[in-house]
Amino acid sequence: EAGVAQSPRYKIIEKRQSVAFWCNPISGHATLYWYQQILGQGPKLLIQFQNNGVVDDSQLPKDRFSAERLKGVDSTLKIQPAKLEDSAVYLCASSSSGGETQYFGPGTRLLVL
Amino acid sequence: SQQGEEDPQALSIQEGENATMNCSYKTSINNLQWYRQNSGRGLVHLILIRSNEREKHSGRLRVTLDTSKKSSSLLITASRAADTASYFCASGEGNYQLIWGAGTKLIIKP
Repeated sequence: EAGVAQSPRYKIIEKRQSVAFWCNPISGHATLYWYQQILGQGPKLLIQFQNNGVVDDSQLPKDRFSAERLKGVDSTLKIQPAKLEDSAVYLCASSSSGGETQYFGPGTRLLVL
Repeated sequence: SQQGEEDPQALSIQEGENATMNCSYKTSINNLQWYRQNSGRGLVHLILIRSNEREKHSGRLRVTLDTSKKSSSLLITASRAADTASYFCASGEGNYQLIWGAGTKLIIKP
């Protein structure tokens, strides 16, 4: 089966610009996660969707980050405006309904200059 | 939030030796999972151990869980160059969320 797809793989922007990341989960997976991983650290959960509803976005900086999963399938994460500290890898993961194992995409490496 | 802590932060061993990594967590868990991350293939799930289990094996991997000490260990036996990667523990809590440690960077020397 196809894995989790993410695009773009790399993005370089200047601070105060906006950027969007796209994720397509494994077919049939109801739960979708966006993580931020700063170099040398473990992933930090930004937002969790169950189908097209938000389960947890408590760690999403809502003044600049937004995410949506309109049809309960693919998802977009946006940053506007970007700050230098947003430089990180943004990981998307999915799991089946009731599934405990998460399956990760390759990530998008963002560099904010 | 990250609540797991992993030890050591980095480990360098000779190919063929065994590698042991430890993880501690802070709250009650449903399960404890280990993932591997290398530059080419992203984060990959290795093994899951439930809170009512004490030991689990998968190929060259052996995981132990001590809920009284809130700790887990991952043993990789007969290491290979392809095992070079960062290894993360993640504690499974409610809502199917994972709380991640900072990882152990493992280098296998030929």
